[in-house]
Amino acid sequence: EPEVTQTPSHQVTQMGQEVILRCVPISNHLYFYWYRQILGQKVEFLVSFYNNEISEKSEIFDDQFSVERPDGSNFTLKIRSTKLEDSAMYFCASSEALSRNRETQYFGPGTRLLVL
Amino acid sequence: AQSVTQLGSHVSVSEGALVLLRCNYSSSVPPYLFWYVQYPNQGLQLLLKYTTGATLVKGINGFEAEFKKSETSFHLTKPSAHMSDAAEYFCAVSRMDTGRRALTFGSGTRLQVQP
Repeated sequence: EPEVTQTPSHQVTQMGQEVILRCVPISNHLYFYWYRQILGQKVEFLVSFYNNEISEKSEIFDDQFSVERPDGSNFTLKIRSTKLEDSAMYFCASSEALSRNRETQYFGPGTRLLVL
Repeated sequence: AQSVTQLGSHVSVSEGALVLLRCNYSSSVPPYLFWYVQYPNQGLQLLLKYTTGATLVKGINGFEAEFKKSETSFHLTKPSAHMSDAAEYFCAVSRMDTGRRALTFGSGTRLQVQP
C-alpha cells in the first residue's frame, strides 16, 4: 500500500539554524500538508499546498516557514531560523484532489525536531 | 471557527470490554469528521470518516462511530477491546464544503487496554 514517507525521523539543531524537513507524498496525490504537534499538545495545521502554491495556511505559518515542491516527488518544509518553540513532531500528509476520497489525508510517520 | 473536544485524555479498559472515546465538535455547519489512530512511533492512520449519508460509519479494526448532529458528537466505539488497540486516538474535523481542507484536531485520547 502506498504511504507517505518523511526524512529524517529525528533532527537536532541549534537555535537560529535553518532546517529542511522532507516528505515524499503518495504518488498520485496532488494536495500536500504540514502539521505539527508540540509535545503534550494538539496536532496543529500549518499549511496546505496545491498546484505549486500555498492554498491555506494557519497563523502559525509565518515568514520563518516556507514550503516547496522542488521536484516531482519531494515536498519540503523549511524553517529559516529555528527557535526553541519550534521543537515538535512535524507531520506531512497528502490527499487526492478530485476523487470521492479527496477529503482523506494520509499522514507520514513524522520528523521529531529538537531545537537546542 | 471550528473546534474539537475529546473528553478524557486517558481511557483505560479491560480486554474484551467496550471502548467508548468521546468527541464533540463546534461548528456552525456539520463538518466532515474523522478519527485517526497513532501507534507508538508511527504516523496518524485513518480509522474512519463521516462526510455525508449514513450517520453510523464503520472503520478498520472493528471500530465504528455515529454522527449525531443534535448532540454535535462523533463518538468512537468498539464492542470488545483488544490489547492491540492500545494507542492514541484523535478526532478531527474539516470544512471541505467551504473548500478548506485543513484538519482541526482534538487533543487526543490515550487508550490503555488492561489484560
